[in-house]
Formats: sequence, C-alpha cells, structure tokens
Amino acid sequence: GQQLNQSPQSMFIQEGEDVSMNCTSSSIFNTWLWYKQEPGEGPVLLIALYKAGELTSNGRLTAQFGITRKDSFLNISASIPSDVGIYFCAGQLGNTGNQFYFGTGTSLTVIP
Amino acid sequence: NAGVTQTPKFQVLKTGQSMTLQCAQDMNHEYMSWYRQDPGMGLRLIHYSVGAGITDQGEVPNGYNVSRSTTEDFPLRLLSAAPSQTSVYFCASSPGLIEKLFFGSGTQLSVL
Repeated sequence: GQQLNQSPQSMFIQEGEDVSMNCTSSSIFNTWLWYKQEPGEGPVLLIALYKAGELTSNGRLTAQFGITRKDSFLNISASIPSDVGIYFCAGQLGNTGNQFYFGTGTSLTVIP
Repeated sequence: NAGVTQTPKFQVLKTGQSMTLQCAQDMNHEYMSWYRQDPGMGLRLIHYSVGAGITDQGEVPNGYNVSRSTTEDFPLRLLSAAPSQTSVYFCASSPGLIEKLFFGSGTQLSVL
C-alpha cells in the first residue's frame, strides 16, 4: 500500500503556542484530508483539500495542499488544552476509487 | 442523525471463533468501508462497498468477509478469528467515491 510519512510523531507544547505538522508521500494524491482522533473515538474530519495549492481554514486550523501534490500541512494557532489528540492525514489517489491512505498520526499534548 | 453506528464497542474472542461487527449509517451514503487501526500504523482499508450488492477488497482483506444487502448496513465478519486480528476496527461512510469519510466510534477487538 501507499506510504504516508507524517511528522512529527508526537509534540508536547505549551498552551498558546502554534503547531505545525506535515504529511508527505512518494505518490501524487488528488485529495488530502486531515482528521483528529480522541481516545475511544473515531477520527473526526477537520479539513478537506481538493486542489494543489489550496489553503483552507477551519477556525484556528489551517491546512494546505502542497503544490507538488505529494504533501500537505496542518497548522494550529494559539493551541488550547482541548486540541489534545492524535491528528491524521489521509490522501486519496485519483485512480483507486475511494481508498484513502492514512498517515501514522501526530500525537499532540498541550500543557496548560 | 446518529451518523455511523458501530456495535459492539468491545469484544474478546478466542482463536477460531467467529463473529460479526455491525455497522449502520443513517445518512443515505452510498459508500461504506471498514478500516483497522493498529499501534504505530495508519488506518488500513479492509473492504469497501460502493452501493448495495457491491463489495470489493481493500488493502488488508484476508480473514474478513463483508456483504451489503441494504444501503444502511455493512457488517464485517471474522470467520475464524486469529490473534493477528486484534485491533481497533472502524466503519466509515461517505456520500460518494471522491468524498470525505465519516467514521463510527470503533470496535476494540482482542483475539486470545
């Protein structure tokens, strides 16, 4: 299967700091999604990106679809304790229907 | 709307036992899928369905069967459970092939 490299693997930050994480692939993707997962729950969609270069915001979250279509970035501004969780990227190859390939996740801890 | 509902939440099986993980969605989504989540790995696609009566294999289908007799339901069957199938299983649905996925809250399965 496709390999999505997500980094960093984990982050420990102070409340109020900004957060950046990214996802890279050796393949070109047509869609990038960013999810957040909290303990005992399923992933919840944060942002969806459909075009190279697209920059989309959802409150304090901003994600970008890389120009090369092989990467995507997620930024969280002014972090708060409820941002704690694991963040996953997911990419979709255009020729495989709806199969999304997921990154291994970035675990975020926010210290009050 | 309840969204995507999975049952049970937890299950313990002995090697060789069979069971069915249930998944139902009330959003009238055509596309449904099953993923497994293992520590240190991204979610991996097991099986998916693009509509009632149509199913196909994903990245890791071995040991699992699915059927889709209605738009709402997409059960996952383990015919003879193995310890390698210990994992957290997520069902997801989406309105179409190139659409974002909505996840259930997961089933944690342990095979002893």
